[in-house]
Amino acid sequence: DIQMTQSPASLSASLGETVTIECRASEDIYNGLAWYQQKPGKSPQLLIYNANSLHTGVPSRFSGSGSGTQYSLKINSLQSEDVASYFCQQYYDYTFGAGTKLELK
Amino acid sequence: QVQLKESGPGLVQPSQTLSLTCTVSGLSLTSNSVSWIRQPPGKGLEWMGVIWSNGGTDYNSAIKSRLSISRDTSKSQVFLKMNSLQTEDTAMYFCARNYVGYYFDYWGQGVMVTVSS
Repeated sequence: DIQMTQSPASLSASLGETVTIECRASEDIYNGLAWYQQKPGKSPQLLIYNANSLHTGVPSRFSGSGSGTQYSLKINSLQSEDVASYFCQQYYDYTFGAGTKLELK
Repeated sequence: QVQLKESGPGLVQPSQTLSLTCTVSGLSLTSNSVSWIRQPPGKGLEWMGVIWSNGGTDYNSAIKSRLSISRDTSKSQVFLKMNSLQTEDTAMYFCARNYVGYYFDYWGQGVMVTVSS
């Protein structure tokens, strides 16, 4: 099984700041990675697929990058509506990262 | 407009069987795959299994012996059955469209299942 290590577990940032969340896979996943945003009491929503492709309707301040075993999600100019938990997911056996809880400072 | 909606009992007794239904609209089950994913309170997401567009299934090896996923294409419904429930199976259960076997682009609202006597 492919393990996904996501960091940090929690993050506090100010409005307008740029934040980065990372996921490391236990083996090469060849860009087979998606990122999701989940707000309290809601279902996860797809943000990024294929490591760096923005899903329809997702604001352009979200971006994904990486290759091999290392991937990251960047949020530019943090907005209040970005307060949520974020999860990565690899395509091979659908393992999710443990999540990052993003709060406002 | 694609919609998925989970339904089922909110409370299940330990050792009993959980039965959930995912009702899908806006897409055909014969050309789309649907997964079940669960999330214990305050914790992360766990993929449980998938029913492919051809009717085949794959399951998470950790729960494979207890899980069964099936469907009724005429009713656009996907079913989950999991036996021998324990308190650690308490979770929000989601169904989601599994886009070409890669990622999940449409999700249901989820149904909370509590395992308790």
